[in-house]
Amino acid sequence: AQSVTQPDIHITVSEGASLELRCNYSYGATPYLFWYVQSPGQGLQLLLKYFSGDTLVQGIKGFEAEFKRSQSSFNLRKPSVHWSDAAEYFCAVGEGNNNDMRFGAGTRLTVKP
Amino acid sequence: DAGVIQSPRHEVTEMGQEVTLRCKPISGHDYLFWYRQTMMRGLELLIYFNNNVPIDDSGMPEDRFSAKMPNASFSTLKIQPSEPRDSAVYFCASSPTGTTGELFFGEGSRLTVL
Repeated sequence: AQSVTQPDIHITVSEGASLELRCNYSYGATPYLFWYVQSPGQGLQLLLKYFSGDTLVQGIKGFEAEFKRSQSSFNLRKPSVHWSDAAEYFCAVGEGNNNDMRFGAGTRLTVKP
Repeated sequence: DAGVIQSPRHEVTEMGQEVTLRCKPISGHDYLFWYRQTMMRGLELLIYFNNNVPIDDSGMPEDRFSAKMPNASFSTLKIQPSEPRDSAVYFCASSPTGTTGELFFGEGSRLTVL
């Protein structure tokens, strides 16, 4: 079965600094990959997704992610973080046939003024 | 559209009581998912429905948990009897295409079992 690992439980960055959140997946074929964001007390919101094609995908709120098959990674990036980006970020991997989407443990982002 | 609507937002109950969580998916979405979120285990898929039919309930922890979808606009997750270890945030999500596309999440129901 597919699985996803987010190695960083908590990351702190200064406002305006760049951000990279790591995600590694385990899956035999090309997976469906997602990044979701969860603000406190809220449900998850999709930031971006990758199915096929261009390995660099753009999402909402200025986020992007790059699929690297050789590294089994799908890292999330943002060139300049805003205070409103403070939230929990989840990487997820899905498989088209069984609808069993697996979520990583999440990375909590704190933004310093 | 109002999005996925869950109720109650917060529920505090005592061990042994029955708990019913409710979900209204986005109109036109054929897939409905129930997830549980805890600090220890993260987000876990409990069950999902396609066209109101339960497809995979292998994530349901035990027989105390049951889920129904009597029509396209309503689903329930019931815990009977509840136990303290059931304390978690329960999310409902809907999708027009299953997990090949975006899941639209509700705001969750935070359950505390004393």
